[in-house]
Amino acid sequence: EVQLVESGGGLVQPGRSLRLSCTASGFTFGDYAMSWVRQAPGKGLEWVGFIRSKAYGGTTEYAASVKGRFTISRDDSKSIAYLQMNSLKTEDTAVYYCTRGIPFYYYYYMDVWGKGTTVTVSS
Amino acid sequence: VIWMTQSPSLLSASTGDRVTISCRMSQGISSYLAWYQQKPGKAPELLIYAASTLQSGVPSRFSGSGSGTDFTLTISCLQSEDFATYYCQQYYSFPWTFGQGTKVEIK
Repeated sequence: EVQLVESGGGLVQPGRSLRLSCTASGFTFGDYAMSWVRQAPGKGLEWVGFIRSKAYGGTTEYAASVKGRFTISRDDSKSIAYLQMNSLKTEDTAVYYCTRGIPFYYYYYMDVWGKGTTVTVSS
Repeated sequence: VIWMTQSPSLLSASTGDRVTISCRMSQGISSYLAWYQQKPGKAPELLIYAASTLQSGVPSRFSGSGSGTDFTLTISCLQSEDFATYYCQQYYSFPWTFGQGTKVEIK
């Protein structure tokens, strides 16, 4: 069964850092792109960032709201994707979902989502 | 940035109804559009990708149409388990963007 499990969420003060992990199972992790999406309490979905597979350079893309503060990386040997979040702001409070990216020509869509991990930024 | 206008934001319907949700783009995206369903407290689930391709395991009462700037999600015969929030999402260009969501509630 294809599964994504996020971990690492919690309560953190503004300005501090947190690293989320997304552990994958049931598929060959290294063959796929991965992405992070967040949802603030009572709000809609917001795409955070994306990392291509090593076969496509392992390059990353970010939303403007997190660029320069958040970094996505991957460890294919452990089947884990990471979201390093620095200089956290109260507006980063959200449930963070990890998703798998399926290539479709030169594009990717998200087919599998984890259950999410909650990040609360508050003093 | 590609902006998306999803409508309506709230849709009241009864079991058995045919419902339609619209998603309009600020610029053309060919057919690089997905639809997701989200139930309270749960992660979103993929319903449709490439504007009209049904994800494996999704009931055939769901269908998608459109290309360019105008897209539609249709539920042909609403079932009790379909009361949820639906989002469209473009993956034509970064940053990926989502519609604001449509909550389908019981009338």
